[in-house]
Amino acid sequence: QKEVEQDPGPLSVPEGAIVSLNCTYSNSAFQYFMWYRQYSRKGPELLMYTYSSGNKEDGRFTAQVDKSSKYISLFIRDSQPSDSATYLCAMSAHGNFNKFYFGSGTKLNVKP
Amino acid sequence: GAGVSQSPRYKVAKRGQDVALRCDPISGHVSLFWYQQALGQGPEFLTYFQNEAQLDKSGLPSDRFFAERPEGSVSTLKIQRTQQEDSAVYLCASRLDREIVCHFGPGTRLTVT
Repeated sequence: QKEVEQDPGPLSVPEGAIVSLNCTYSNSAFQYFMWYRQYSRKGPELLMYTYSSGNKEDGRFTAQVDKSSKYISLFIRDSQPSDSATYLCAMSAHGNFNKFYFGSGTKLNVKP
Repeated sequence: GAGVSQSPRYKVAKRGQDVALRCDPISGHVSLFWYQQALGQGPEFLTYFQNEAQLDKSGLPSDRFFAERPEGSVSTLKIQRTQQEDSAVYLCASRLDREIVCHFGPGTRLTVT
């Protein structure tokens, strides 16, 4: 079993929809939680990160962490065609943020 | 400023050949990472450098994989006697010391035939 599980999708939504992307994990030592966006044939680009539990908002993006359930989410409001990409969650343990564990990525397609 | 650059962007190797992949991190970035991303998968950690010191190489899949960063800036990932299962995108990332934010390069896509 992988340490981080993520539904690969693809997820197809109309422009303007609210998108919910999720990951589950098994290692209770994870404390840093990140969301990356990866366009085709490009490297991952960091969108947001949170430490421990709680919510964090940045523009149209909201990240949520529920450590009791070992479950993290990324919400995208008013989705745009330019949001079409693969979204990767990543995590690292407190005291060792030199090694990230990635989910397999969810491919999102926002239709105009 | 320039981001992380990697070369070559694409590499085709015959099985059994040796390859060398180069990473130029962002200037001043102390930490450097290599990740392997197989098709349809997320990146998997290979190794980590702080300056020239390789502090974690637990993700290197076999002794055919070797990484170095001799002067604490440019890094090279070498794969000896390539095999088909080595086909993947190899990503390099760098960051300032004690920061969580990692900047990834565009990757080198290696295809072993």
